[in-house]
Amino acid sequence: EIVLTQSPTTMAASPGEKVTITCRASSSVSYMHWFQQKSGTSPKPWIYDTSKLASGVPDRFSGSGSGTSYSLTISSMEAEDAATYYCLQRSSYPPTFGGGTKLELK
Amino acid sequence: EVQLQESGPGLVKPSQSLSLTCSVTGYSITSNYWGWIRKFPGNKMEWMGYISYSGSTSYNPSLKSRISITRDTSKNQFFLQLNSVTTEDTATYYCARWIAYWGQGVMVTVSS
Repeated sequence: EIVLTQSPTTMAASPGEKVTITCRASSSVSYMHWFQQKSGTSPKPWIYDTSKLASGVPDRFSGSGSGTSYSLTISSMEAEDAATYYCLQRSSYPPTFGGGTKLELK
Repeated sequence: EVQLQESGPGLVKPSQSLSLTCSVTGYSITSNYWGWIRKFPGNKMEWMGYISYSGSTSYNPSLKSRISITRDTSKNQFFLQLNSVTTEDTATYYCARWIAYWGQGVMVTVSS
């Protein structure tokens, strides 16, 4: 199965700061998906097909990448963005998740 | 609006079977794919499997001998059964209309 490695595992960002979270795959995948999860709630689809924002996701978020390297970027950190972010690949069976990146507000 | 709700026992004894129900409203399970995902303590997430609109199933190979996903279309529900559980199966279990809509999750502890 494809292993997804996220970095960093934990980070803190100040309001207005640019944030980049990386997801690296052990083999090439066609697309990457991202979820946001806040404590006590279920994961929310956040970015589909590498770069498409889910409904309601602010446009300060963006996704990019190809092959084995993908990223989620926040252009300007806001308090509501503090959460854990997971990447997911379903190009290869079985679907696999990254280990998560916990983003905190500094 | 699609809504999913998991239900089932929160405590299961080792070696027994874990059985969960996902009740779906706002969308027919005879369309799309309906899956189970779990999140372990420490945040690791695992796709367990899904049942398709036609009733066909696909399972994670790591679980293949222990897992069964079935459905009742008359009740618009689908089910997870995981056999021979151990403490390693302690997790929060989510059902989802893969991948777009998720239930709130149910925490299951395996302990004697």
